[in-house]
Amino acid sequence: NAGVTQTPKFQVLKTGQSMTLQCAQDMNHEYMSWYRQDPGMGLRLIHYSVGAGITDQGEVPNGYNVSRSTTEDFPLRLLSAAPSQTSVYFCASSYTQGWGTSYEQYFGPGTRLTVT
Amino acid sequence: KQEVTQIPAALSVPEGENLVLNCSFTDSAIYNLQWFRQDPGKGLTSLLLIQSSQREQTSGRLNASLDKSSGRSTLYIAASQPGDSATYLCASTGDSSYKLIFGSGTRLLVRP
Repeated sequence: NAGVTQTPKFQVLKTGQSMTLQCAQDMNHEYMSWYRQDPGMGLRLIHYSVGAGITDQGEVPNGYNVSRSTTEDFPLRLLSAAPSQTSVYFCASSYTQGWGTSYEQYFGPGTRLTVT
Repeated sequence: KQEVTQIPAALSVPEGENLVLNCSFTDSAIYNLQWFRQDPGKGLTSLLLIQSSQREQTSGRLNASLDKSSGRSTLYIAASQPGDSATYLCASTGDSSYKLIFGSGTRLLVRP
């Protein structure tokens, strides 16, 4: 298994440009999510999905869009990049259950994004 | 709203020492707590997951404990090695069993 993969590894954007960060997993996990990591702020949840066709907002969703058309893929779209979106972005996945036992989450290697 | 705190922010120890990393959380109604390791410029590697009904989990030289009543978890590393140098993050669930709330991490340096 490749686990959770993310592309690209690095990206530089100009203010106002749009782009899509790719995330894929081959573990048949229902749950996928996107976090951003900033110095002194820890990791914060942007958007998440509990299955194909279902997405919801996390703690910091503004400026980002997601969709989930397949179990394997969960792309994150930046609609109009701003310098405040300079960060490291991580995708994660896990099995999930509606109630009770929850499962270990697996993280991708990250995408380092700079917006100038 | 769940908040997760890790103290200290940084720790430097000589090789061979046993050490404890601390994690505290404000809401005891958690589903689980997970400890991660992050090397510089890399992603997060899951170390241990403790379910709400469990008190501890062990993997090799690592032992994680959970005390929901006091809102605390500890990660014990036995016989530390230079290869253990990394940032250690704890994350607790928030209002669902899969949304994680992260602490800011403890940066560990193990000196040869």
